[in-house]
Amino acid sequence: QQQVKQSPQSLIVQKGGISIINCAYENTAFDYFPWYQQFPGKGPALLIAIRPDVSEKKEGRFTISFNKSAKQFSLHIMDSQPGDSATYFCAATPGFGDPFGNEKLTFGTGTRLTIIP
Amino acid sequence: DGGITQSPKYLFRKEGQNVTLSCEQNLNHDAMYWYRQDPGQGLRLIYYSQIVNDFQKGDIAEGYSVSREKKESFPLTVTSAQKNPTAFYLCASSISPIGGEANVLTFGAGSRLTVL
Repeated sequence: QQQVKQSPQSLIVQKGGISIINCAYENTAFDYFPWYQQFPGKGPALLIAIRPDVSEKKEGRFTISFNKSAKQFSLHIMDSQPGDSATYFCAATPGFGDPFGNEKLTFGTGTRLTIIP
Repeated sequence: DGGITQSPKYLFRKEGQNVTLSCEQNLNHDAMYWYRQDPGQGLRLIYYSQIVNDFQKGDIAEGYSVSREKKESFPLTVTSAQKNPTAFYLCASSISPIGGEANVLTFGAGSRLTVL
């Protein structure tokens, strides 16, 4: 019940295209969903995050879509660029004040994104 | 600038030796974490600490040890009991283990350990 399932494992997209990474969860206590971006040899960095009270959050070319009833959320990268080539991790954690809120962040398995010219 | 400093960035070890990886944060975060990442793989939790002088085993704690004597510091020792220690090690911290945004992690730049 603690897992976050992420797909695909790897993704190749042409420059200018849309990259889509999907995640699904089962734990209904999860209430905050961050995405991380990791370049080779670097630590992951927070990219964007969403709460389930909104269906979509956009920051520049990055958009999170959230479907609470299906317990699924996805990252869309519009106009994908070679500089977006990285590994992306979705994650989930219980909400503030939740009895299980002291549990650690649960990560997906990661998606290696490659943008080709 | 606030952040997490990991050192050394690269470390080579002979089999049978213990090594200690340093992690220091100046974010005033309560919780700290150590993750291991193998090539092309995800993040596996080794140990975490939610408060000074307390820490908990993660999913792959065998062969590792930690201490949390100061809020700012969470060193990881890779012991000779760890059978396959070559990996990329990531230290992270979060504001406080109370859920929501407070659980979001800030990562260091990582330490790459190679066993010769």
